[in-house]
Formats: sequence, structure tokens, C-alpha cells
Amino acid sequence: EDKVVQSPLSLVVHEGDTVTLNCSYEVTNFRSLLWYKQEKKAPTFLFMLTSSGIEKKSGRLSSILDKKELFSILNITATQTGDSAVYLCANTGTASKLTFGTGTRLQVTL
Amino acid sequence: GAGVSQSPSNKVTEKGKDVELRCDPISGHTALYWYRQSLGQGLEFLIYFQGNSAPDKSGLPSDRFSAERTGGSVSTLTIQRTQQEDSAVYLCASSLSLAGGRGYEQYFGPGTRLTVT
Repeated sequence: EDKVVQSPLSLVVHEGDTVTLNCSYEVTNFRSLLWYKQEKKAPTFLFMLTSSGIEKKSGRLSSILDKKELFSILNITATQTGDSAVYLCANTGTASKLTFGTGTRLQVTL
Repeated sequence: GAGVSQSPSNKVTEKGKDVELRCDPISGHTALYWYRQSLGQGLEFLIYFQGNSAPDKSGLPSDRFSAERTGGSVSTLTIQRTQQEDSAVYLCASSLSLAGGRGYEQYFGPGTRLTVT
């Protein structure tokens, strides 16, 4: 059974800090790994990673995948209060259905 | 263009009643997915459609749950004889296709919060 584990479960940082969120996975047929940000109900797509070692970047957020060690990290630099959310990692396996981790709850304080 | 839309946004129902949740995917997206998120839990896959067919129904929790999609567009998730444990946010997502590349990017709707009293 496909499995995704995220750590830490929750994190509180001060505005301006840099954070690293972790995602490890076990999947039968790896196709891609995705990161989402969930603030209220709908997860918002951030990144999709398919190749090892290639960093995806969008503003202060970046992510990289290690297919050999079966993990990915999401980095957020110079955090802002608007970054407070649950960050979800998901793996695309069989038939493209996503297997999600339980998420990391990030709180950025002033 | 418009994103994924879902209706209703909130639904409160009495135990034992049937409910229908609707999802309207992004125009042109052939793949459609239903997920459920219970309080404090991760997202749980329920079912997906490629066009109007649902090859994988393995995620449906029980035979009280069913889903259909017509015209390769709108989908409805029906829960019969609702139970309190069905209370959750039901999220729908769509993607270009099931194939590789950007077909793996799933875009989510705002969800329907179902409360069974």
C-alpha cells in the first residue's frame, strides 16, 4: 500500500525564519510527487516533482526530490504570516490517484 | 478560466437521509477525483473518473457511497442513509488527463462540508 509520511506534524516559527518541511514516501509505481498548501478547505497546488535533484522554485518557496532516498523537502525562506497553513505532500501512484500525507501545520508568528 | 466548483459548500443532514454532492471540473479536464478529509485527518482517496468511467472504486468506504459522471463533465457523489461518521469535507479535483506530465497536476475545488446530525 502506498504511504506518505510528513514531518514535523506542526511547526511554529517567527516571521522571517526559514523552514524546511519533510516528506518521505513508499509507492509501488512512482509517477510524481506533489506539494499543496491548504489554508481553509481547498488545497492549492504548489509544485509537482518527477525528476531527482531538480529544484522547483516559486518565489520564496522551493522543493526538491530525491528518488533514490524516497523523500522530498519543501523550503520556505523569509516566512510571512500568510504562509501559515497546512502543507500537504502527495504521491501519484497507480492510476494517478494521490496518496496524501497528514500534512505539516505551519504557523508563522509576528 | 474558472476553477473546480462544488456545491453545496455546506450541507447539514439528519442521520439516515441521502445526500448528493456535486462537482464541476475545470473545462477540458478529463480526469476527475473525489477525496474525503475528516477532521484532523489527511485526504482520503474515494474514486476517480477518466471520462465517464470509474475504473477504480476501491476507495469508496461502503456500498452506501456511489458516484457518477455524465458528459465527461459534472460528477455527483451520493451517500445513502448517511451516518455520523460520514461527516467530513468532501473535495473534488480534476486534471488534464491520467497520463504523464501535467496530467498529474490535480486542482481542487473548495469542497463540501457535510455534517450528519
